[in-house]
Amino acid sequence: GDSVTQMEGPVTLSEEAFLTINCTYTATGYPSLFWYVQYPGEGLQLLLKATKADDKGSNKGFEATYRKETTSFHLEKGSVQVSDSAVYFCALRGPFYGQNFVFGPGTRLSVLP
Amino acid sequence: NAGVTQTPKFQVLKTGQSMTLQCAQDMNHEYMSWYRQDPGMGLRLIHYSVGAGITDQGEVPNGYNVSRSTTEDFPLRLLSAAPSQTSVYFCASSYGRTGDTQYFGPGTRLTVL
Repeated sequence: GDSVTQMEGPVTLSEEAFLTINCTYTATGYPSLFWYVQYPGEGLQLLLKATKADDKGSNKGFEATYRKETTSFHLEKGSVQVSDSAVYFCALRGPFYGQNFVFGPGTRLSVLP
Repeated sequence: NAGVTQTPKFQVLKTGQSMTLQCAQDMNHEYMSWYRQDPGMGLRLIHYSVGAGITDQGEVPNGYNVSRSTTEDFPLRLLSAAPSQTSVYFCASSYGRTGDTQYFGPGTRLTVL
C-alpha cells in the first residue's frame, strides 16, 4: 500500500538556521502531496501542497517541490523562527476520488532563540 | 464558517463506559474521517466516510463505531471504553478529489481509567 517516510527527529535548530525535513513516499499512480503543521494543543493545519510533478508548494517562507523521479517532497525554510516550533507531517493522497490520506510519523521541530 | 468542530474537548471515562465523540463540518465536504494520535505513533485512521450513508473501516477500527446520516455530522462511538483507547482524537473533512485539502478539528483528549 501507499506509505510516507520522513525523518522523525526531534530536530533542534537555532533561530535563523536553515531547515530541511526529508519526506519520501511510495504510491500507486500520481498522488497529491501535502505538508501539515501541528502547534502544541491544536489540530493539524495545511502548510502547503503540490498536486503534480515539479509543482512547488509554498507558504509562510516554507517550500517543497514534488519530485517524481526521487519520490520526494522535502520541506525547506531558509530562516526559521521560534514560532515555527511545531510537529510537521508529510502526507499523500492517491489519485482516485475519495482515497484516504496517508501520513508520515511527524517530525518535531524546536527552534531556540 | 466554523470549519470542523468537535465536542467535547476533554473527557474522562471509566473502563467499560460508552460515549460518543461529536464531529460536525459546515463546508459541505463529502469525505470525513476520524484519527487517533498517540505519542510516538503519528496519526492512525479509525473510520472514514465518502458520503452520507457510506462508512468504512480504517487502520484501527476495533472498539469504535461510526455512522453518517447527514453530510455535516460524523459521530464516533466508543462501545466499551478500555485504557488502550486513551488518546487524542481528531476529526477531519475534505472534498474527495486528490488535491483537496483535509481540514482538521481541534481534537478531543480522552482518558480512560
